[in-house]
Parts: sequence; C-alpha cells; structure tokens
Amino acid sequence: AQSVAQPEDQVNVAEGNPLTVKCTYSVSGNPYLFWYVQYPNRGLQFLLKYITGDNLVKGSYGFEAEFNKSQTSFHLKKPSALVSDSALYFCAVRLDAGNMLTFGGGTRLMVKP
Amino acid sequence: DSGVTQTPKHLITATGQRVTLRCSPRSGDLSVYWYQQSLDQGLQFLIQYYNGEERAKGNILERFSAQQFPDLHSELNLSSLELGDSALYFCASSPRLAGGAEQYFGPGTRLTVT
Repeated sequence: AQSVAQPEDQVNVAEGNPLTVKCTYSVSGNPYLFWYVQYPNRGLQFLLKYITGDNLVKGSYGFEAEFNKSQTSFHLKKPSALVSDSALYFCAVRLDAGNMLTFGGGTRLMVKP
Repeated sequence: DSGVTQTPKHLITATGQRVTLRCSPRSGDLSVYWYQQSLDQGLQFLIQYYNGEERAKGNILERFSAQQFPDLHSELNLSSLELGDSALYFCASSPRLAGGAEQYFGPGTRLTVT
C-alpha cells in the first residue's frame, strides 16, 4: 500500500518570505513523487516531480522540492512567496511499477501581502 | 490549459438518477484516469484506462462504471445517485501506462445531487 501525508492543513506566509509545504510518503518500493497545485474552480496543475537522480528538483513558477529518502519526505519550497502562489497544494506518490497516483489531503497556502 | 477537456462543467441532478461525464484526453495520450474530489474524502483515484482497456481500479463504487472508446475519449457513468456522490470529478491523462509520466488534469465536472 502507498500513502501520502501532508501534516499541515494550512500554511501562512508573508509575501517575499520563503515557504515550505511539507509532504511525507510511505511506499514499499521506489516512489515517483509529484506536486500539483489547484487554484479555485480549476483542475490540478502539475508543478514538479521526482523520478530519480538529483534530490533537488526544480519545477514551474520558481518552486522546488527536495527528496529525502531517509526521512521519506518530499517538501515543496520556494525562496520568495508571491500573493499569487495562494492556492491548494497536493503531494502525490506513485510506485515505479504502478499505475495509481495517491494524493495527500492537500495544504492550503495563504500568502499575505 | 492542460489539453484535457471535460463536459459538462456543472451537473445538477436528483437522487436515484444516472449521469454520464465525458473526458477527452490530451492529443496522443493513451492513458485516462478518473478522480473524485470531495470535502470529506479528499482526492481519490477511481479508475484508469489505457488504450481502451481497464488497467487499475481504486475506490470506485459498484454504482459507477467507466469506459474508454476507440477514439480514446472516456466516459464515467454514475447511477443510482446519492447525496454523497456530490463532488468534483476530474479526468486526467498521460502518454504512458505507468512510470514517471505526470498526469494532466482537466477542469473537472462539478456534480450536485439534490
């Protein structure tokens, strides 16, 4: 079985400050890890993924994520938050040989001016 | 715009009824996935089709069924609808069966059962 946990329902950060959205996973195999963002009344948009290789992955809109195998984490980061980053963020995991994408519960990011 | 289209955008229907949601994947994508997003259950994987064949099943109720047609569009059929079926239903597509390819999501169909 595979599972994803996003321990924070909401993260508040001031514009210009760095942001971190946390994600931990549990799989019995090699994981593929993804971050998606959902804006109000929109579908999910792909941000970035970790498949293999460098543990630091860079994605869209200045976001990056660090894969940490020992801590089974894949936290999403951005050096300087924008008000327009305010949205719902989902972490997801998929086994390398599997089809099913399992999502975390989502974290609402609020960036205040 | 992800390239995945879903119709209708909104659907309001009564309990006990049956509805069909439609999805057209991105051009060239063979794999189609259906997800349900609700406040209490979060985002849940329902079912996957690849090139017309069912390949993976998640938490899909027996009242729900899906298929993928030769032109690769997919339909999700929901029958004997209950109030608890009210949710946002997403379709996603990817080029391959599995592996590291990301899935591209459509805008969703919001189903309201009254």
